[in-house]
Amino acid sequence: AQSVTQLDSQVPVFEEAPVELRCNYSSSVSVYLFWYVQYPNQGLQLLLKYLSGSTLVKGINGFEAEFNKSQTSFHLRKPSVHISDTAEYFCAVTGGLGNEKLTFGTGTRLTIIP
Amino acid sequence: EPEVTQTPSHQVTQMGQEVILRCVPISNHLYFYWYRQILGQKVEFLVSFYNNEISEKSEIFDDQFSVERPDGSNFTLKIRSTKLEDSAMYFCAIGQSYEQYFGPGTRLTVT
Repeated sequence: AQSVTQLDSQVPVFEEAPVELRCNYSSSVSVYLFWYVQYPNQGLQLLLKYLSGSTLVKGINGFEAEFNKSQTSFHLRKPSVHISDTAEYFCAVTGGLGNEKLTFGTGTRLTIIP
Repeated sequence: EPEVTQTPSHQVTQMGQEVILRCVPISNHLYFYWYRQILGQKVEFLVSFYNNEISEKSEIFDDQFSVERPDGSNFTLKIRSTKLEDSAMYFCAIGQSYEQYFGPGTRLTVT
């Protein structure tokens, strides 16, 4: 079984400042990792994913994440945030067989301060 | 990115009533999922559906829940006798190349 920990429930950041949202996972098997974004009153949108290969993955809206197997982490970063990045961000993991259920973290609410 | 629609967007029902939530993938897919998100909480897996069969279900998915793909396109989640604690946002997702794409959700309110 897999689990995901997002230690930061809320992260306030000034506009144009960098941000890192932390995600740690636990699994006894190989995993695929994802970040989803949920804007207010909307569904979940896939931001980026790690399946294999390069540990630095780039996603939409200027976000990137780095897979670190030794630290079992998959932190999300953006060098300069905008007001429009205000949303809830969920880290998720699935087993390495693919097409299995997603296990989500509790989410991090990113608030951008003008 | 595959497109998924869900109907209705909002459903209000009385406790004990049956509800059917619908998911319509725009193109053909093999893997389907239902998740729910109780207000303010994380997204939880309910059930996965592959090749017209349930492939995995969570302990939340008890006998009150059922899924089917009645006409080869729609994918439905039925709750037979709703409880207050079933109030949540229900998301359908489709699987493609190890990724899952979510619909906009149905907000279910049980009164």
